Amino acid sequence: GENVEQHPSTLSVQEGDSAVIKCTYSDSASNYFPWYKQELGKGPQLIIDIRSNVGEKKDQRIAVTLNKTAKHFSLHITETQPEDSAVYFCAASMGSSASKIIFGSGTRLSIRP
Amino acid sequence: DADVTQTPRNRITKTGKRIMLECSQTKGHDRMYWYRQDPGLGLRLIYYSFDVKDINKGEISDGYSVSRQAQAKFSLSLESAIPNQTALYFCATSDPHMDSGANVLTFGAGSRLTVL
Repeated sequence: GENVEQHPSTLSVQEGDSAVIKCTYSDSASNYFPWYKQELGKGPQLIIDIRSNVGEKKDQRIAVTLNKTAKHFSLHITETQPEDSAVYFCAASMGSSASKIIFGSGTRLSIRP
Repeated sequence: DADVTQTPRNRITKTGKRIMLECSQTKGHDRMYWYRQDPGLGLRLIYYSFDVKDINKGEISDGYSVSRQAQAKFSLSLESAIPNQTALYFCATSDPHMDSGANVLTFGAGSRLTVL
């Protein structure tokens, strides 16, 4: 079955700097890769997702890149702000009909003032 | 009101007790899921249901059971709780987009369970 590895487990960056979180997946049939943000005391919430037919997607300060050959994808946050502090999860699944969305182990991002 | 509501939000119980965590949703989604979150292990799927008559085991179903009472309700039971079931439990729903392939999960706020 699918296995998703996520690095680093913790990340601390200066406010205004960029943050990068990386994930690898094992099943080459996976074609949908969402990223979720979990704020303290809340459930995870989707922030961006990417399908396997594109290599990059941007939404304001957030971007995700996908390398299908190497089976890895990354989340990039530019101009980090205090409200970016949270736990981030990557995930992989085989499209909308997939019964399972497999999550990575999470990255705790802290933004230093 | 929240789209996905979990009760209770916090529960402390003793080894051997039966526990039920409840989930209700107002999204109108057919698909519902139960995940468990442990530090360093991410979110692991316990059970999922694609409709009222469809129940499936996830990655870590041993020691758990579920009931889909209605489209909007999906409960998780621990028949005889043990300490290593201490975790944060999340219910989620989804309405996959067949054309785009997206399957966005909407999570509840979580139920923190402590088994002593």
